Amino acid sequence: NAGVMQNPRHLVRRRGQEARLRCSPMKGHSHVYWYRQLPEEGLKFMVYLQKENIIDESGMPKERFSAEFPKEGPSILRIQQVVRGDSAAYFCASSPQPGDNSPLHFGNGTRLTVT
Amino acid sequence: LAKTTQPISMDSYEGQEVNITCSHNNIATNDYITWYQQFPSQGPRFIIQGYKTKVTNEVASLFIPADRKSSTLSLPRVSLSDTAVYYCLVGGFNDYKLSFGAGTTVTVRA
Repeated sequence: NAGVMQNPRHLVRRRGQEARLRCSPMKGHSHVYWYRQLPEEGLKFMVYLQKENIIDESGMPKERFSAEFPKEGPSILRIQQVVRGDSAAYFCASSPQPGDNSPLHFGNGTRLTVT
Repeated sequence: LAKTTQPISMDSYEGQEVNITCSHNNIATNDYITWYQQFPSQGPRFIIQGYKTKVTNEVASLFIPADRKSSTLSLPRVSLSDTAVYYCLVGGFNDYKLSFGAGTTVTVRA
């Protein structure tokens, strides 16, 4: 029973390039959440998506960041024109649905390094 | 969201019990207390959740006094593999907007 799968585990980008982070939720989960963990800090919520819908993007920077969860395939967090301050670990979590009795299940993250 | 305060770090030895206390003075009536564990280079893993009194599972126990202004995570007989960061979060049941603070780094030594 595979957990939340994130890839790549490590991603290096030069300033100005685009970064694409992928997340496949647990089987049977239709809700995906993205979080960012800056060095020496805790995780901070970015965006919550259901299939084909963005439910809550209140934690996501207004510019350069976007997220999608298409009908088929993984959820994608896209960062355009990356800057050094984007260097962080990006975690994805999934759940069957909010309010369900199960806790969030996290992936092992993608570590983005911007050089 | 209720603010939480927990120790930055704790040291222990194998076989000992580790108790981590988290303060949450402004916890709301509907808030739950949830603890996560995070190993280096991994995502957080749910440990336990409670609302009041005591909750126990195969991994840990959670003690919550009547006023709910604090809670204590108890890890019985820790091993080296319990070395991790432990986060205390307070919020609605399955509140996805929970922000993880710095957590408590628990180091277990042989």
